[in-house]
Amino acid sequence: QKEVEQNSGPLSVPEGAIASLNCTYSDRGSQSFFWYRQYSGKSPELIMFIYSNGDKEDGRFTAQLNKASQYVSLLIRDSQPSDSATYLCAVNQGREDMRFGAGTRLTVKP
Amino acid sequence: DTGVSQDPRHKITKRGQNVTFRCDPISEHNRLYWYRQTLGQGPEFLTYFQNEAQLEKSRLLSDRFSAERPKGSFSTLEIQRTEQGDSAMYLCASSFAEGSYNEQFFGPGTRLTVL
Repeated sequence: QKEVEQNSGPLSVPEGAIASLNCTYSDRGSQSFFWYRQYSGKSPELIMFIYSNGDKEDGRFTAQLNKASQYVSLLIRDSQPSDSATYLCAVNQGREDMRFGAGTRLTVKP
Repeated sequence: DTGVSQDPRHKITKRGQNVTFRCDPISEHNRLYWYRQTLGQGPEFLTYFQNEAQLEKSRLLSDRFSAERPKGSFSTLEIQRTEQGDSAMYLCASSFAEGSYNEQFFGPGTRLTVL
């Protein structure tokens, strides 16, 4: 079992729709959770982080964490073509290194 | 620009040659990380510094890889006797971390191609 799992996609949504990206992790001791956006050929860009169970909203982005289910999600409201990218879920397991999923490729169609 | 910078951005080398990459973190950050990313995968942790001390190394990091962070500022990653399997994007990230909070910010990466 991989430490951090994401559906590789591609996930395709129409412009203006809600995109829902999911991530599960294996280590119950994981303490902090991050979503990065990565455009093709570029480096990852931090867009959201969450530490506590529940929802955290930042503009069009909402991160959701359920530690009992070992599940993290990212919702993108009013999706725009510029949101088309690969979204990486990253988990800090209490050590200093972060474990990344392989990413979900999102395409927002105009 | 106060972000993480890396140099060079691209490096093409022949198998067996040595290469060195540099990373300059965000100035107030005390932690610096090296990751490697191959196509279709997320970044894989290689090593981590807190100030000038190298505190953790992945078992993925073979003896051909060495990293330094003299004076706790910039860092270098050297790969000796490169192999074709070393071709990847090498990413540096930095953070100012307290406790378990560790938001890491990445540089633009160095893309290595070993022929």
